[in-house]
Amino acid sequence: NAGVTQTPKFQVLKTGQSMTLQCAQDMNHNSMYWYRQDPGMGLRLIYYSASEGTTDKGEVPNGYNVSRLNKREFSLRLESAAPSQTSVYFCASSGGQGSKLEQYFGPGTRLTVT
Amino acid sequence: GQQLNQSPQSMFIQEGEDVSMNCTSSSIFNTWLWYKQDPGEGPVLLIALYKAGELTSNGRLTAQFGITRKDSFLNISASIPSDVGIYFCAGQWQGNKLVFGAGTILRVKS
Repeated sequence: NAGVTQTPKFQVLKTGQSMTLQCAQDMNHNSMYWYRQDPGMGLRLIYYSASEGTTDKGEVPNGYNVSRLNKREFSLRLESAAPSQTSVYFCASSGGQGSKLEQYFGPGTRLTVT
Repeated sequence: GQQLNQSPQSMFIQEGEDVSMNCTSSSIFNTWLWYKQDPGEGPVLLIALYKAGELTSNGRLTAQFGITRKDSFLNISASIPSDVGIYFCAGQWQGNKLVFGAGTILRVKS
């Protein structure tokens, strides 16, 4: 099992460009999450999907959109990137039997917006 | 929103020392999780706590869920160089969502 995979690992964008971050999990988890991590601020929830077909806003959703494509995949889109979106983005999933709250993280995407 | 206060912000360890860190909140949580993050990697789950008062061990790690449900601590015994990294606490709120502390950075004393 690969667990949670994310692509790309690194990305540089110019202000105003758009891009989609991809995430997939092979653990048959129901719930998936997108976080951003900034120095000294821990992980902040951007959007999450409790189950296939549903999405909801987290703590910092402005400037982002998400799509839960199927049970395995959950993508994050930046429509018009801004320098304030420079961050490390992590995808996570949860929902294993008996451990639905335990979230498992991907390796991250390091995004720089110039 | 929910906030977790994690302390210390950073600390230096010498091989063989015991290490303690904790998380507190003004809100009650039903679940506490502890994660470790190595440089350039995603967080990895260390310990999950589901019951107030629960004390759980994972090798040299021990974590406790505070009886008031507003705090948790993590101890590392007999630290080794590979213990360096960032440790995060997380508390469950609103269904399956977690809120994270800002992290404790463990560094090695030179």
